[in-house]
Amino acid sequence: QVQLVQSGSELKKPGASVKVSCKASGYTFTNHAMNWVRQAPGQGLEWVGSINPNTGNPTYAQGFTGRFVFSLDTSVSTAYLQITSLKAEDTAVYYCARPVGYYDSSGEFRSYYFVDWGQGTPVTVSS
Amino acid sequence: DIVMTQSPDSLAVSLGERATINCKSSQSVFYSPVNKNYLAWYQQKPGQPPKLLIYWASTRVSGVPDRFSGSGSATDFTLTISSLQAEDVAVYYCQQYYDTPRAFTFGPGTKVHIK
Repeated sequence: QVQLVQSGSELKKPGASVKVSCKASGYTFTNHAMNWVRQAPGQGLEWVGSINPNTGNPTYAQGFTGRFVFSLDTSVSTAYLQITSLKAEDTAVYYCARPVGYYDSSGEFRSYYFVDWGQGTPVTVSS
Repeated sequence: DIVMTQSPDSLAVSLGERATINCKSSQSVFYSPVNKNYLAWYQQKPGQPPKLLIYWASTRVSGVPDRFSGSGSATDFTLTISSLQAEDVAVYYCQQYYDTPRAFTFGPGTKVHIK
C-alpha cells in the first residue's frame, strides 16, 4: 500500500532554515507529482505547491514564492520542502500529499484530488 | 484563484441524525468536456492528516461508509452524513482542483460534533 512517511517535528529560531522530507513507498515515485499542504495551528488547509518528479519543475502557490523550495531525490523516492528565513507565521504542520492525476502532452502533471497524505511534520518557529 | 466557502462553520448533530455541509465556489468547477465537477471532500480528525472521502463531487472512495454522500454541480455542493456516528466527529473540507495545476483551494472547514 502507498505510504508517505515524513520527517519529525522541528523547532527553529526566526531566520533559520528547515528541510522537511517525505519518503514515498508503494507506488512508482515518478508517476505522480508531490504536493505540499500547510495547516497553521487551529486553522484550515492551505496548498503550498507541487513538484513534478519527472522534470523537477516546481509550482508554488501565491504567497509561497521565494522562501519555499521543493526538491526531490528520485533515487530514494523522497520529496523535500525547504523553508528559509523562517518567520513565526511559518509555524504550522506541513503535509505531503500524493494526487491522482496525469501527465499532459507537455509533460506537466495535472493533479486532481489528493488521495494519500503523509502524517504531517510540525514546524515551530520561536525565539 | 477560485475561492471556496463552506457553511456552517460548525454543526452539532444528534447521533443517528443527518448532517449537511454546504460548499460554494466563486466560479464553476464543472468542466464540460469531461462532464465532471472538480471537487473533493476530506475528513480530518484531531491530530490526523486529512482523509479523502469524495471526489468528482459525488464519487465515494472505496471503504468510506455509504452514509457519506456528495452532491451538487457547478458552484454549489453538499456533503451529507445520513446518520451521524460518533466516529464522524471531525472537520470536513471541500477542495477544488479545477485550477490544476496552478492552484488548489480548500474551503475553511466545517466542524461536526455531537449534540
